[in-house]
Amino acid sequence: ETGVTQSPTHLIKTRGQQVTLRCSSQSGHNTVSWYQQALGQGPQFIFQYYREEENGRGNFPPRFSGLQFPNYSSELNVNALELDDSALYLCASSLGLALAYEQYFGPGTRLTVT
Amino acid sequence: TQLLEQSPQFLSIQEGENLTVYCNSSSVFSSLQWYRQEPGEGPVLLVTVVTGGEVKKLKRLTFQFGDARKDSSLHITAAQPGDTGLYLCAGPRGGGTSYGKLTFGQGTILTVHP
Repeated sequence: ETGVTQSPTHLIKTRGQQVTLRCSSQSGHNTVSWYQQALGQGPQFIFQYYREEENGRGNFPPRFSGLQFPNYSSELNVNALELDDSALYLCASSLGLALAYEQYFGPGTRLTVT
Repeated sequence: TQLLEQSPQFLSIQEGENLTVYCNSSSVFSSLQWYRQEPGEGPVLLVTVVTGGEVKKLKRLTFQFGDARKDSSLHITAAQPGDTGLYLCAGPRGGGTSYGKLTFGQGTILTVHP
């Protein structure tokens, strides 16, 4: 069984640019959540997708947007990049929304904004 | 907003020592989770505690959920260099039961020296 994968592994962008990060869920998982983890901090919830619909959002501005595709893979898009967007971006997938379903995290994409 | 505060932030000990990491909140959580994260990887779930006063053991790791469900602790007995990593506590956002939307503590960086 393939785990959660993310691409790219590392990315360097310039302030003001746009970036797209990708996540492939574990097989059979229909729920994906995205998190931002600044250096030395715990992850912060960005948003969640369930069966291609957004299902909750954290305290992030609208320039953070996402998509979930019919195969349940997902994208995180960030427009007008700012220096503070530099962080590790994690996606996590699970079988569903219920309490019993464990989340599996990918290795993350390290984004550096200069 | 429910916040989780972890202490200590950093812990540097010798192999064989015992340690405890604390996770506290002023809010009640329906459950709490503990994760371990190594450099270059996403968090990996260690345990979920659901019932107030619950104690769970995972080899040399003991997890406890406070009676009031506002706090949790992780105790490691006879720490080994392989225990080195970032330990994170997390709970469902907004008092929900979905594990997909998590609030994380800031983490405890544990270093175990041989």
